[in-house]
Amino acid sequence: DAGITQSPRYKITETGRQVTLMCHQTWSHSYMFWYRQDLGHGLRLIYYSAAADITDKGEVPDGYVVSRSKTENFPLTLESATRSQTSVYFCASSEFDRGKGETQYFGPGTRLLVL
Amino acid sequence: GENVEQHPSTLSVQEGDSAVIKCTYSDSASNYFPWYKQELGKGPQLIIDIRSNVGEKKDQRIAVTLNKTAKHFSLHITETQPEDSAVYFCALRRTGRRALTFGSGTRLQVQP
Repeated sequence: DAGITQSPRYKITETGRQVTLMCHQTWSHSYMFWYRQDLGHGLRLIYYSAAADITDKGEVPDGYVVSRSKTENFPLTLESATRSQTSVYFCASSEFDRGKGETQYFGPGTRLLVL
Repeated sequence: GENVEQHPSTLSVQEGDSAVIKCTYSDSASNYFPWYKQELGKGPQLIIDIRSNVGEKKDQRIAVTLNKTAKHFSLHITETQPEDSAVYFCALRRTGRRALTFGSGTRLQVQP
């Protein structure tokens, strides 16, 4: 996990507020991902990015916005937070290696509570 | 789209026993099957993976088996230790895609 960091680690906000979760990786991986983790659902993909300025929706994108102006950063914004967005958010990155194939590496997570 | 069923949701074993977690899937275009371990308060960490052209892979006490015909893959942990206690997730990736689809997780408790 040393190469991928998330901030903040914990966040409490109120319904209707805008919140941005930060993700930074030092490997220069091309691909980055945002997942949310909820009990009974495992991890579900919110958005992903193949490179700077290239993003695409995942399984549960509604209510979220992403951007990727630099390869190393992939912020996730909740434009108007709702209680249903209370969750643990994980950022991940990956790169293809001829020997190892492609492995996703996860950050430590951000625990978000929306009141 | 891809769907992954993971069982059991909780598993308790005695130290030294084996633990087996199974995942089934429906999409025959899936070609990569990793397993992640998540400890409390941390992000998932890859512990072993297998690609569709291989039936079994071992790494010390951990092994993964894949049955493409039956569309299931399993994680086997032998000689379990208390530090193996964690939540384990199976996942898969469809050919041509980069994102993973995850199972719902198995909480493994190894009793000393």
